[in-house]
Amino acid sequence: ETGVTQTPRHLVMGMTNKKSLKCEQHLGHNAMYWYKQSAKKPLELMFVYNFKEQTENNSVPSRFSPECPNSSHLFLHLHTLQPEDSALYLCASSHLTSGSWYEQYFGPGTRLTVT
Amino acid sequence: AQTVTQSQPEMSVQEAETVTLSCTYDTSESDYYLFWYKQPPSRQMILVIRQEAYKQQNATENRFSVNFQKAAKSFSLKISDSQLGDAAMYFCAYRSRDRGGSEKLVFGKGTKLTVNP
Repeated sequence: ETGVTQTPRHLVMGMTNKKSLKCEQHLGHNAMYWYKQSAKKPLELMFVYNFKEQTENNSVPSRFSPECPNSSHLFLHLHTLQPEDSALYLCASSHLTSGSWYEQYFGPGTRLTVT
Repeated sequence: AQTVTQSQPEMSVQEAETVTLSCTYDTSESDYYLFWYKQPPSRQMILVIRQEAYKQQNATENRFSVNFQKAAKSFSLKISDSQLGDAAMYFCAYRSRDRGGSEKLVFGKGTKLTVNP
């Protein structure tokens, strides 16, 4: 266990559904991340939050909507997804990044299937 | 933009033997970090080892060591005395250290390592 939990672990949803992924970290970190891991593709950073403020949006479609109510929780709201959005979604957290490096701790991921 | 290439989609090694995973990267930056991450079948990714580009000495963590060749932009991972628990996907990653550079991690596609008993 890395101290980062994600729920649900598996999710199947139709293209017209709305669902949310949840991430929680118990490490006292103040930066949180969403990554997308697709088969045979590099891990892709989606969003970065530092102290609840979004600092990076890596050209992610608007059907993915992140929310960070506090530094311990991160959500990814999903709506009108496409089958190509099926992937493993990983959450990570670290101490604040400002030129210095801090290790990112990853959660176990949510396996999303869009039908 | 930086890119990370792992040319070996799959590798296998006999238990107790040594295996080397390859990674090359492309960057115009002068200072950066390089990492190897391990993702076991349970899927929780963990950091194995990291290297600062300004350090000439290769990083070592127990049975894991790297061969960092800055001029060649090469960063290979050597696993000695391989154990069954080493079986996993291994990802090479890059992060800028330059002031004003991106703080995001850039990952390779990964190498699946199988350890045979």
